[in-house]
Amino acid sequence: DVNLEESGGGLVLPGGSLRLSCAASGFMFDAYTMNWVRQAPGKGLEWVSCITGSSHKKFYADSVRGRFTISRDNDKNSVHLDMNNLRDEDTATYYCVRDGGGSWGRGTLVTVSS
Amino acid sequence: IQMTQSPSSLSASVGDRVTIVCQASQDINTYLNWYQQKPGLAPRLLIYDASKLQTGVPSRFSGSGSGTYFTFIITSLQPEDIATYYCQQYDNVPRLTFGQGTKLEIQ
Repeated sequence: DVNLEESGGGLVLPGGSLRLSCAASGFMFDAYTMNWVRQAPGKGLEWVSCITGSSHKKFYADSVRGRFTISRDNDKNSVHLDMNNLRDEDTATYYCVRDGGGSWGRGTLVTVSS
Repeated sequence: IQMTQSPSSLSASVGDRVTIVCQASQDINTYLNWYQQKPGLAPRLLIYDASKLQTGVPSRFSGSGSGTYFTFIITSLQPEDIATYYCQQYDNVPRLTFGQGTKLEIQ
């Protein structure tokens, strides 16, 4: 079975940094583009970033471009999201999502607050 | 591409037919997913390619449409269907966009 498990969330001060990780199993990891999607408390879903299977292409939402960096390690079946210069509006549950939308992790909560 | 969902909330009775509409700001062919999200859980894919039922999803759920207009139907509402439903386009990859969601409640 496909399994995606996020980690790394927590409470961080505005302007701070955090690294999210997603451990994947149950499928041929390097064959899939991987996404990060977030959901602010009580709000809808927002696509954040994605990375192709070979890491050749990376894409970002306008709201995070220049502050967030996505990467992956196909040897360890993992994808990461380095988040810098965090803002209050980055507070959300961050989900790791396999391309196609059929598989989501349970999410990890990031809270940016002083 | 902007995705506009309606209604934003809906109250219905068990056994009712429920319809949710999603409109795209430009032609997205049939590159549309529908998700169900229950409180505290991740979204679950129900429909892909506008009308194809994901494996394991009950047949009371269906989707239709193409281009800019899409509908999602629950033919006979069950208590366990209480959730928020989202549409999502994947024509303009990689920049996926979601509708704002429809919160479905039992009357």
